Amino acid sequence: DGGITQSPKYLFRKEGQNVTLSCEQNLNHDAMYWYRQDPGQGLRLIYYSQIVNDFQKGDIAEGYSVSREKKESFPLTVTSAQKNPTAFYLCASSIVGYSNQPQHFGDGTRLSIL
Amino acid sequence: AQSVTQLDSQVPVFEEAPVELRCNYSSSVSVYLFWYVQYPNQGLQLLLKYLSGSTLVESINGFEAEFNKSQTSFHLRKPSVHISDTAEYFCAVSSIKTSYDKVIFGPGTSLSVIP
Repeated sequence: DGGITQSPKYLFRKEGQNVTLSCEQNLNHDAMYWYRQDPGQGLRLIYYSQIVNDFQKGDIAEGYSVSREKKESFPLTVTSAQKNPTAFYLCASSIVGYSNQPQHFGDGTRLSIL
Repeated sequence: AQSVTQLDSQVPVFEEAPVELRCNYSSSVSVYLFWYVQYPNQGLQLLLKYLSGSTLVESINGFEAEFNKSQTSFHLRKPSVHISDTAEYFCAVSSIKTSYDKVIFGPGTSLSVIP
């Protein structure tokens, strides 16, 4: 079955450490997204990509970085510059150019600070 | 700019009772509307969507939502809830005409079904 795989499910970060969250999809979607979810705040867009080797900042990109070297993969790095990284991170994908199509989500990575 | 409001952050309801989760949106352009459901420690799943045509849309598990353009609302309803409906529900909008497929999500409503 096609879908989005996020790993790891739980991740712990030490102070001053960068960590990378993995997101892989086999839906053949061109667009991929990273969201941060905090209680009571819904989903906030961190970065998105519509095509390989191109990506744009979302609403809360500071302290995060991404790459899009392959269509199937869109890893997110939470850098030490992100002072409050504890959150639930969701990766999603969709077909480009069709805003009537829903986004498909992975099961998320929960990041905590040690 | 677009925005989505979900007035109720938490909705407790007894099993087999009806429920309505409210969603209002603001947009200067025409939009598509979506409801997503999120079970604990999982990602979001599409519940139903309004694109055009009949203003009443239904899901396979008994939920329905009605698009009201004059009130800019897209409330979600179910006539009789089950314990398994306990989850977080997100209303979302996307512009019909955008350069990319940005979706604006509401803050979510936590539905708790009480046995």
